[in-house]
Amino acid sequence: QSVLTQPPSVSATPGQKVTISCSGSSANIGSKYVSWYKHLPGTVPKLLIYENDRRPSGIPDRFSGSKSGTSATLGITELQTGDEADYYCGTWDNSLNAGVFGGGTKLTVL
Amino acid sequence: QLQLQESGPGLVKPSETLSLRCIVSGDSISDGNYYWAWIRQPPGRGLEWIGNVDYKQLTFQNPSLKNRVTISADTSNNQVSLTMTSVTAADEAVYYCARQRTGMDWHDPWGQGTLVTVSS
Repeated sequence: QSVLTQPPSVSATPGQKVTISCSGSSANIGSKYVSWYKHLPGTVPKLLIYENDRRPSGIPDRFSGSKSGTSATLGITELQTGDEADYYCGTWDNSLNAGVFGGGTKLTVL
Repeated sequence: QLQLQESGPGLVKPSETLSLRCIVSGDSISDGNYYWAWIRQPPGRGLEWIGNVDYKQLTFQNPSLKNRVTISADTSNNQVSLTMTSVTAADEAVYYCARQRTGMDWHDPWGQGTLVTVSS
């Protein structure tokens, strides 16, 4: 059972927009920065969003992040088949004194 | 360009000790702005944060693994190590090392990962 809760799966068609939620508590999301990662099995996890809403160099602006209270959201617009992957949110938990990840959300682009 | 490369035995027997190394190139692990983290992914499951260490050997660990895990930094050789005792089948996973930004807690970049199989 992950400290951060994500929907197991989401799906959408090419060109559409999708959002992935990440729910936590005041000990983690409510008081710390959130980051988001894209992970394809057999590859290296890739940082998409850091510090809630900032994009690393090279990440297109189709990807966005936001945070409100104890929840965070990853948004992906203009969906492409190449966006199919597992997406994870991550942050720090002040109660555990440890890093935490969500359980992951599998994005299917139909 | 910063690169991380994990290495270690791909096969460990149950109840034995797992030892992995993460060699960092392109930057010094003595940069006080970063921790160096270990993260794993068991087959078919999500990412699990194991722990981290900074160049002063300050370390944080996942409470669920705390008694079995030791993470240390070797600044002379610019590498980080993970030791996990009493492994079981539940420890079978791809193990990644990653740079973790102090206070902001994002992880980037990540190493390629190394698969650890637990079997007699």
